[in-house]
Amino acid sequence: DAGVTQSPTHLIKTRGQQVTLRCSPKSGHDTVSWYQQALGQGPQFIFQYYEEEERQRGNFPDRFSGHQFPNYSSELNVNALLLGDSALYLCASSPDLYNEQFFGPGTRLTVL
Amino acid sequence: GQQVMQIPQYQHVQEGEDFTTYCNSSTTLSNIQWYKQRPGGHPVFLIQLVKSGEVKKQKRLTFQFGEAKKNSSLHITATQTTDVGTYFCAGQRGFNKFYFGSGTKLNVKP
Repeated sequence: DAGVTQSPTHLIKTRGQQVTLRCSPKSGHDTVSWYQQALGQGPQFIFQYYEEEERQRGNFPDRFSGHQFPNYSSELNVNALLLGDSALYLCASSPDLYNEQFFGPGTRLTVL
Repeated sequence: GQQVMQIPQYQHVQEGEDFTTYCNSSTTLSNIQWYKQRPGGHPVFLIQLVKSGEVKKQKRLTFQFGEAKKNSSLHITATQTTDVGTYFCAGQRGFNKFYFGSGTKLNVKP
């Protein structure tokens, strides 16, 4: 079992560009959550997907959107990138809505 | 605003000393989870507390959930250099999103 995988590992973009991050959950997990972690801060919840639907959303603008595929993998899209979007983006999978979350290694996004 | 507050922000201890981090929520939680994140790594699940007043132990780590289910603590006895990292609590209300605290960064001097 490969655990939660994310791609790419690192990404450098410029302001105004768009980015897509990808996540494959742990085998057997159908719930995927995305978090943004700024340097020195705790992870901030972006949204959660279950059964290919966005179930919950944190306090993030509509520039942040996502998708979950039938195989439970997920994408996070961010449009019109801002400097403040620079952060570590973490994907976490879980077997349900309230048990332990398994985090992937994250994607380090730098916006110049 | 931030739903879960965590203190202290930093803790520097000598190896062998004890360490405690505290987590407080403005609202009653259904459960709370604790994670450890090593430098350059990702959060790794440690434990989940569900019941009021619950206490769980993992070797040198003791986790507590308050009677009102609004606060929690993680205590490490006799710290080791392998304990270095940032410890996060994450509170959940019902089946809603988890709110992470800002973390306590632990540094252990050998």
